[in-house]
Amino acid sequence: KNQVEQSPQSLIILEGKNCTLQCNYTVSPFSNLRWYKQDTGRGPVSLTIMTFSENTKSNGRYTATLDADTKQSSLHITASQLSDSASYICVVSPTPYSGGGADGLTFGKGTHLIIQP
Amino acid sequence: DGGITQSPKYLFRKEGQNVTLSCEQNLNHDAMYWYRQDPGQGLRLIYYSQIVNDFQKGDIAEGYSVSREKKESFPLTVTSAQKNPTAFYLCASSRAELMNTEAFFGQGTRLTVV
Repeated sequence: KNQVEQSPQSLIILEGKNCTLQCNYTVSPFSNLRWYKQDTGRGPVSLTIMTFSENTKSNGRYTATLDADTKQSSLHITASQLSDSASYICVVSPTPYSGGGADGLTFGKGTHLIIQP
Repeated sequence: DGGITQSPKYLFRKEGQNVTLSCEQNLNHDAMYWYRQDPGQGLRLIYYSQIVNDFQKGDIAEGYSVSREKKESFPLTVTSAQKNPTAFYLCASSRAELMNTEAFFGQGTRLTVV
């Protein structure tokens, strides 16, 4: 069964500090890997989307990396701000040959990030 | 503004009642999806539709029903057969099947059974 595991489950850091969130997946082969930010009580918003051939992609202070050999991705947040407090969800999209949910996406449970002033 | 709109934001249901959650998009997307989100769990697919007048069951379709009479609209009915309906419901849309395209999510509806 395809799985996406995220760590840590939750993280608290001080404003201005950097942090890195991890995503390990078993989906193989895969079409793309996405990171979403979800504010409490709101819908997820896309941060990055990477194909299997990309190693890194940035969106402002957010940088996602991908190692297809080890099946790991990370999301690095630089100079954190209070508005970064949210859940960050890793989502892997399989190819037609590697299954996945009926919609073709496998969702992680998310990392809950809290930025303290 | 282009986007995907869910309503209401909060919904309360009595035991045994059916309730309908609205999802409308003006992005001209062919595909629309309903997900359920529970605390500490990843999103789970309820139903999806890739074209008007056609829809498919997702991983947890029991106790739910949908319709897709218009491209812009994909309402979800939570029936009395759904034994544990309290959750956060998210609607999404995409240009084509989700494997290769970006998905846009609505702001969610929080359903509570009272």
